Amino acid sequence: RKEVEQDPGPFNVPEGATVAFNCTYSNSASQSFFWYRQDCRKEPKLLMSVYSSGNEDGRFTAQLNRASQYISLLIRDSKLSDSATYLCAVILNTGTASKLTFGTGTRLQVTL
Amino acid sequence: GAVVSQHPSWVICKSGTSVKIECRSLDFQATTMFWYRQFPKQSLMLMATSNEGSKATYEQGVEKDKFLINHASLTLSTLTVTSAHPEDSSFYICSARLLQETQYFGPGTRLLVL
Repeated sequence: RKEVEQDPGPFNVPEGATVAFNCTYSNSASQSFFWYRQDCRKEPKLLMSVYSSGNEDGRFTAQLNRASQYISLLIRDSKLSDSATYLCAVILNTGTASKLTFGTGTRLQVTL
Repeated sequence: GAVVSQHPSWVICKSGTSVKIECRSLDFQATTMFWYRQFPKQSLMLMATSNEGSKATYEQGVEKDKFLINHASLTLSTLTVTSAHPEDSSFYICSARLLQETQYFGPGTRLLVL
């Protein structure tokens, strides 16, 4: 089983729509959780960290469910510029190093 | 502005040659640097973790003799792909971190081996 799993999509949504992505992780000892955005042929850029209490940044809301080991990202009022691949990532501290492990990413295409 | 740079941004080489990629942290000293590889439509896969002044720790399945990592200073790590072959063609991305703080990614290096 992969450490971090995501539905690859693509999710095709019209402008203004609300879209949600889920991500599951296999190791219950994972400590930190993130959503990254990656545009085509570019490096990933941190979108937001994810906390159990949930956190919101403008149109983006992230949530962590430790019991079920999943992370979600909700995008409200989608814009054309939101089109990208969204990667969830977790940090697992192995004792000698903490490693950031990525899911395969979910591709979002926002259309007119 | 960018906090991690990579050079070169792209490289095309013949099969059998070695390619060196540099990763530099700008304006901060990185205690740990990471090297990732991303094939088309796939996720970033961690290749190795390197701490300044010590040997890199490679992930399972990554050949340490093929992917040589040198982390000689707190601001520079290099990845050398030795005797590159077409299957090594990929997007190589480094990232740098100070202690347990935010991990910053470089812009990546696109390698094409003919």
